[in-house]
Amino acid sequence: DTGVSQDPRHKITKRGQNVTFRCDPISEHNRLYWYRQTLGQGPEFLTYFQNEAQLEKSRLLSDRFSAERPKGSFSTLEIQRTEQGDSAMYLCASSPTLTLMNTEAFFGQGTRLTVV
Amino acid sequence: DAKTTQPPSMDCAEGRAANLPCNHSTISGNEYVYWYRQIHSQGPQYIIHGLKNNETNEMASLIITEDRKSSTLILPHATLRDTAVYYCIVSSASGGSYIPTFGRGTSLIVHP
Repeated sequence: DTGVSQDPRHKITKRGQNVTFRCDPISEHNRLYWYRQTLGQGPEFLTYFQNEAQLEKSRLLSDRFSAERPKGSFSTLEIQRTEQGDSAMYLCASSPTLTLMNTEAFFGQGTRLTVV
Repeated sequence: DAKTTQPPSMDCAEGRAANLPCNHSTISGNEYVYWYRQIHSQGPQYIIHGLKNNETNEMASLIITEDRKSSTLILPHATLRDTAVYYCIVSSASGGSYIPTFGRGTSLIVHP
């Protein structure tokens, strides 16, 4: 399978614990995005990387959230001191370098986080 | 902020064409119209995109009005597996940041 891979698929954690999610984008895709999705809503943008550089962060990305893409390949999203409101599906997407003809994003299956 | 307006839900009979409308009255000249869909418990899937000409691929057709203020996604022969939430997105593809920004989409139910 050469699509976007996310791990784990499901995570249940106790409030106050830290969690880390991993995303492996499609090989050679320069851009990597993180989104959060709650029930009944569309995906909400969190942050994106161009290679290893984090170029934009949403206001949704509080200081408890941190994302990295150290070698421009896989990325991790860490949530510290989780809260019940962090319960959501966390989606990762990747896309190749922006061109006029090839700008669609490819999404992974997501990591569903439940904070109890 | 979502730049598009879509009906919250629609339904369609299996085998018939599903026509999903989208209003994007504030679209600017260099912005593309993209459509994605999300089947329950999966990540969004790209369907099609266009600038001003109508587009067709193996999944769907995209009809963009001449003034580019609205578009319609057409699934020519809907099947039960097309039941999903469909998102219409407007994004610039000329440098800068291309960040797909999703609204709430249209929940399409295809019934037998």
